[in-house]
Amino acid sequence: DTAVSQTPKYLVTQMGNDKSIKCEQNLGHDTMYWYKQDSKKFLKIMFSYNNKELIINETVPNRFSPKSPDKAHLNLHINSLELGDSAVYFCASRKSGRARGTDTQYFGPGTRLTVL
Amino acid sequence: GEDVEQSLFLSVREGDSSVINCTYTDSSSTYLYWYKQEPGAGLQLLTYIFSNMDMKQDQRLTVLLNKKDKHLSLRIADTQTGDSAIYFCAESIGASKIIFGSGTRLSIRP
Repeated sequence: DTAVSQTPKYLVTQMGNDKSIKCEQNLGHDTMYWYKQDSKKFLKIMFSYNNKELIINETVPNRFSPKSPDKAHLNLHINSLELGDSAVYFCASRKSGRARGTDTQYFGPGTRLTVL
Repeated sequence: GEDVEQSLFLSVREGDSSVINCTYTDSSSTYLYWYKQEPGAGLQLLTYIFSNMDMKQDQRLTVLLNKKDKHLSLRIADTQTGDSAIYFCAESIGASKIIFGSGTRLSIRP
């Protein structure tokens, strides 16, 4: 009955490789997000999709390409991985519309990406 | 611009109260949040406050909001070792975006 799940939990890969991280939510939310948390624990939003459409795209290299096949899934594909991509990537989801206290974002457990 | 600031570290003795502070810049925020992140885990919503309130209490947690100064605080009474975590302040911007602070790492001394 996991609300927001991500796979894999850990990902270790070589520089230059291409990898994907998957995210699924079973909360019936229509907005999903990807965040990057660096080694200092700073959390930065990368992308947001609402009903499969991109609505937030922060300054992220175009090696990062999100894909939302349906409202319940938002995958993140990363091409030509670099050392600086090493971080924990969190997926989150939310019910869109006027912000209400409990309609906040629910986070997945994170994917720790290590680029060697 | 949109910015949320917090101090990075706080150390308190077990049984004392912890107070974590946060300042934000967007005066149009409708909701402000506190999230907790335990080691190796994602963020979990702890509590939130609507912008027209100045205080909210939830068991050991007290949230104070000073909208004039754009200052938010989280007080944890009778801090326990299980409260060790990183606490993130966040503000809602519009319908879809939430901006997070840098997180405050709370450590508990015996």
